[in-house]
Amino acid sequence: ETGVTQTPRHLVMGMTNKKSLKCEQHLGHNAMYWYKQSAKKPLELMFVYSLEERVENNSVPSRFSPECPNSSHLFLHLHTLQPEDSALYLCASSQEFGAVMYNSPLHFGNGTRLTVT
Amino acid sequence: AQKVTQAQTEISVVEKEDVTLDCVYETRDTTYYLFWYKQPPSGELVFLIRRNSFDEQNEISGRYSWNFQKSTSSFNFTITASQVVDSAVYFCALQGTGRRALTFGSGTRLQVQP
Repeated sequence: ETGVTQTPRHLVMGMTNKKSLKCEQHLGHNAMYWYKQSAKKPLELMFVYSLEERVENNSVPSRFSPECPNSSHLFLHLHTLQPEDSALYLCASSQEFGAVMYNSPLHFGNGTRLTVT
Repeated sequence: AQKVTQAQTEISVVEKEDVTLDCVYETRDTTYYLFWYKQPPSGELVFLIRRNSFDEQNEISGRYSWNFQKSTSSFNFTITASQVVDSAVYFCALQGTGRRALTFGSGTRLQVQP
């Protein structure tokens, strides 16, 4: 398998549920990202992990909890979400070379379409 | 502050027509990257091009071409002889110096009719 794989593709959850989104990259990259794509807003960066360390948290509510156990895997744990959290959640990876300007372009997965009822 | 504007929300063309997608950006960074991504119905964003702000040469890749005009802060994308498979949402994005985050435009939905 190549590229960036996200599971599940679709998820419906109630506001009291706990669920997790999974992302796996097969590109040998050392940085992984979560982006949120809502219906009427531009893509927003949520979190960035570089070498398994969280390096950016873009003011995301605590009901979203990322986890990066190794450079190939990234999770987004969800709990007590709100209906406005319904969106397409996209994972991406890149290769970092020290200075951000030398990073490779982002490679995205297919996304998880999340619906909160 | 950084901003990317894609004024065209939706464009519909007939196959074999040429089509240009507009992108205008704002940034105070002196060096930056500009990107175009394609998002087909399957959902993933497919990387098309990255352009460094120092490099104003236009680029052509098959039926795709990009026109970077620093003087007007524009990075337009032209598809020549469009095909049905080009139907997708196209995003322009900006990455400032030292920033990991890409600032995306709101996207342009392109429909190519047979």
